[in-house]
Amino acid sequence: EVQLVESGGGLVKPGGSLRLSCAASGFTLSSYSMNWVRQAPGKGLEWVSSISSSSSFIYYPDSLKGRFTVSRDNAKNSLYLQMNSLRAEDTAVYYCARDPGTAAIDYWGQGTLVTVSS
Amino acid sequence: DIQMTQSPSSLSASVGDRVTITCRASQSISRYLNWYQQKPGKAPKLLIYTASSSQSGVPSRFSGSGSGTDFTLTISSLQPEDFATYYCQQSFSAPRTFGQGTKVEIK
Repeated sequence: EVQLVESGGGLVKPGGSLRLSCAASGFTLSSYSMNWVRQAPGKGLEWVSSISSSSSFIYYPDSLKGRFTVSRDNAKNSLYLQMNSLRAEDTAVYYCARDPGTAAIDYWGQGTLVTVSS
Repeated sequence: DIQMTQSPSSLSASVGDRVTITCRASQSISRYLNWYQQKPGKAPKLLIYTASSSQSGVPSRFSGSGSGTDFTLTISSLQPEDFATYYCQQSFSAPRTFGQGTKVEIK
C-alpha cells in the first residue's frame, strides 16, 4: 500500500525556518517525481514544488523561489521541504504528493500544518 | 504563469442530477489537465488525468473532456458521496497551477 507521511509542521515565528519531511513507503521512491502542495485554511490548493526522480529537475513558483528548497533522499525513502524566511501567508497544510508519470498527482499524504505567527 | 479559471465557484444540485464544471486555461495546455475531488479535512483525490483518462477506481459517472484551453468535468448522476470541492490543475508547465475550486453542495 502506498503511504506518504509528512512530519515537521508546527508553530513558527515570522522570519523563522522549518523543515518538512515526507516518509514514503509501499513503492520505489526513486522511480517517481514528487511534489509539495499546500492549502491555506479555508482556501484552495497551491502547488509549491516538484522534484524529479533523480533530483535533476526542480521547480518552484516564482513567488517561493529563494525561500523554499525541495530535496530528496531516495535511499532513505524521504522527501524534504526546507522553508526559510517564513511569512504569515505561508500558514497552510502542506501535502507531500506523488506524480505517477503523467504529471498528475495520484497519491497524497495526510498533510502537516504549518502555522506562522508571533 | 498559466492561470486556471473554474466555473462556477459553487453550485447546488440534487442527487441524480447531471453536473458540469468548467475549467479554462489562460493559454493552450493541450490535454495536460487533471481533476481532483476534495472532501473537508481530507487530502484531494485524483479523478481524471490528461483531460479524459479516469484514475483507477473512480466511478464511471465521472468523466472529463476538452483540449487546448477549455475543459469539462461531468458527473452524470450525482451521488450523496459526491458533495465535495473539485479542482482542476494544469500539468503542461511549471508552475502547475490549480483552479480556485468548485464547491458542489446539496440542494
